[in-house]
Amino acid sequence: DAGVTQSPTHLIKTRGQQVTLRCSPKSGHDTVSWYQQALGQGPQFIFQYYEEEERQRGNFPDRFSGHQFPNYSSELNVNALLLGDSALYLCASGLGGIGSYEQYFGPGTRLTVT
Amino acid sequence: QKEVEQDPGPLSVPEGAIVSLNCTYSNSAFQYFMWYRQYSRKGPELLMYTYSSGNKEDGRFTAQVDKSSKYISLFIRDSQPSDSATYLCAMSSYSSASKIIFGSGTRLSIRP
Repeated sequence: DAGVTQSPTHLIKTRGQQVTLRCSPKSGHDTVSWYQQALGQGPQFIFQYYEEEERQRGNFPDRFSGHQFPNYSSELNVNALLLGDSALYLCASGLGGIGSYEQYFGPGTRLTVT
Repeated sequence: QKEVEQDPGPLSVPEGAIVSLNCTYSNSAFQYFMWYRQYSRKGPELLMYTYSSGNKEDGRFTAQVDKSSKYISLFIRDSQPSDSATYLCAMSSYSSASKIIFGSGTRLSIRP
């Protein structure tokens, strides 16, 4: 049984560019949440997708957007990249929408913005 | 002020010692309390979770929650070098259970 998978593993982009990160949830899970983890910090909640809709959002600008597909996989898009967007981007999956505190994380995508 | 405060360490203890990791929080709405372990360049791994106050034990790990003091702890008994990692406390409220708020993590090193 595969856990949460993310692609790509690493990514290097230039300021002003756009990036798309991908996530497949653990088998049987129906919610996907995205987190940003800066070096030496804990993960920060970006948003959660459930039933193909954004259900909750953290304090991130509109440059951060996402999508959930019918097979529950998800994408995170970041536009107009800034140097400060360099971080580890984590995807977490769970069950049951906003009621699910039991979240399982993927290995992350390390984004470097130069 | 951050909602969740955690001492970043680093914390270095000899193998076999009892380790105590702690967090404080300010939001009284938090009801779910979790501990994650994160190895270098990996995603966080859910270790334990508890609901509301009380203790929970799982093998060498014990989680404690004191809601009156807004204080949570993780104890590791008979610590092993493989326990060396960053430990993240995390919590969420009943109404937004999957919006998890993390501490900044404590880096733990177990010396053989």
